[in-house]
Amino acid sequence: GESVGLHLPTLSVQEGDNSIINCAYSNSASDYFIWYKQESGKGPQFIIDIRSNMDKRQGQRVTVLLNKTVKHLSLQIAATQPGDSAVYFCAEISTGTASKLTFGTGTRLQVTL
Amino acid sequence: DSGVTQTPKHLITATGQRVTLRCSPRSGDLSVYWYQQSLDQGLQFLIQYYNGEERAKGNILERFSAQQFPDLHSELNLSSLELGDSALYFCASSAWAGSGETQYFGPGTRLLVL
Repeated sequence: GESVGLHLPTLSVQEGDNSIINCAYSNSASDYFIWYKQESGKGPQFIIDIRSNMDKRQGQRVTVLLNKTVKHLSLQIAATQPGDSAVYFCAEISTGTASKLTFGTGTRLQVTL
Repeated sequence: DSGVTQTPKHLITATGQRVTLRCSPRSGDLSVYWYQQSLDQGLQFLIQYYNGEERAKGNILERFSAQQFPDLHSELNLSSLELGDSALYFCASSAWAGSGETQYFGPGTRLLVL
């Protein structure tokens, strides 16, 4: 099963730098992907989504890239701020799975001053 | 604030007991989802309801059940509790039930079984 908590990979980034968080998925039928941010003691918070007919989508300070060939998703955060410190999850939905989100292993982002 | 509310925020109970977790979806959302988040299993989908009807089932134990009421709030019932049921339980809602619908999560209920 997936792991969070003690076994989470951690990315440490200096304030102001750009962050890149990666996610690999295994189901080639997945057609909708979402990045969630989860702060300690809170529920997952929607950041940005992308459909499989796109390879890039931009939001405010965030960009999601989708490479369907290698089944890879990334989240780029520009000018990382201390408030960006959290656990980031990618999630996927496959057509026919009745909206069931499958979450990947989270990545803990630590922003240092 | 996602607009999804969950009560209670914390729950401490003993093995063998039964508890009920409550979720109110965002205004206008018809779909409710329940997820369990534990340290060793990550975020796992349990069950989905759409407009009062069960829509999809995930890794939900037989000891667990859920329902969605006419006012669209949902309850997750956990019975014969075991130590391993200690986890965070999240509810999420979306407007419809389609696979492209963004799900918005509530703050969660932290369950501790002693």
